[in-house]
Amino acid sequence: QVQLVQSGAEVKRPGASVKVSCKASGYIVSSYGISWVRQAPGQGLEWVGWISTYNGKTHYAQKFQDRVTVTMTTDTSTTTTYLEVRSLRSDDTAVYYCARDLGSPVAGRGPDYWGQGTLVTVSS
Amino acid sequence: DTQMTQSPPSLSASVGDSVTITCRASQYISTYLNWYQVKPGKAPTLLIFSASHLQTGVPSRFSGSGSGRDFTLTISGLQPEDFATYYCQQSFAMPRSFGQGTKLEIK
Repeated sequence: QVQLVQSGAEVKRPGASVKVSCKASGYIVSSYGISWVRQAPGQGLEWVGWISTYNGKTHYAQKFQDRVTVTMTTDTSTTTTYLEVRSLRSDDTAVYYCARDLGSPVAGRGPDYWGQGTLVTVSS
Repeated sequence: DTQMTQSPPSLSASVGDSVTITCRASQYISTYLNWYQVKPGKAPTLLIFSASHLQTGVPSRFSGSGSGRDFTLTISGLQPEDFATYYCQQSFAMPRSFGQGTKLEIK
């Protein structure tokens, strides 16, 4: 079955960086992409970025372009994507989700399978 | 970038009622509009994709319609488990974007 398993909760100081991982399995991973979405406490869903697990191409929301990087690694049987957020601020405190999305940046259906979420807390 | 505007921001209804949530895109997105349900502490669940297609396993009381810029999500015969927050998302172009959400509460 399709599974997206994320790394555990993180607590970081303002100005630090955090790297959240998402391990995908149970489907042909190279045929899909991975989107990252966050939800701050009491706030709505916010799209952060996307990576093609076929060729590593990325897209980001404009507000995150300078502080966020999405990367991936592949071994023989699994693909893991990573979301790195730099220069953390208190308003980056949120649950970060990875989700299976289209394999190319074209029009199509939205993300269908989601990870369990990773809480990142930014506090001094 | 495409902005998504949902209305209303919140809605009160009773079990058995029917409700409609609307979503408007700031530019043309064809039928590339998805609806998600979010419950506290849980990951989003895809309900409707491509404006009107029911995701596998989603009850038929959920339906979607629309094209171009204007879309609706209708829930017919509300069940207790439907009280949650609903979001639209456009998947026409990068960057993807979500509406602000509609919180559906029990009256």
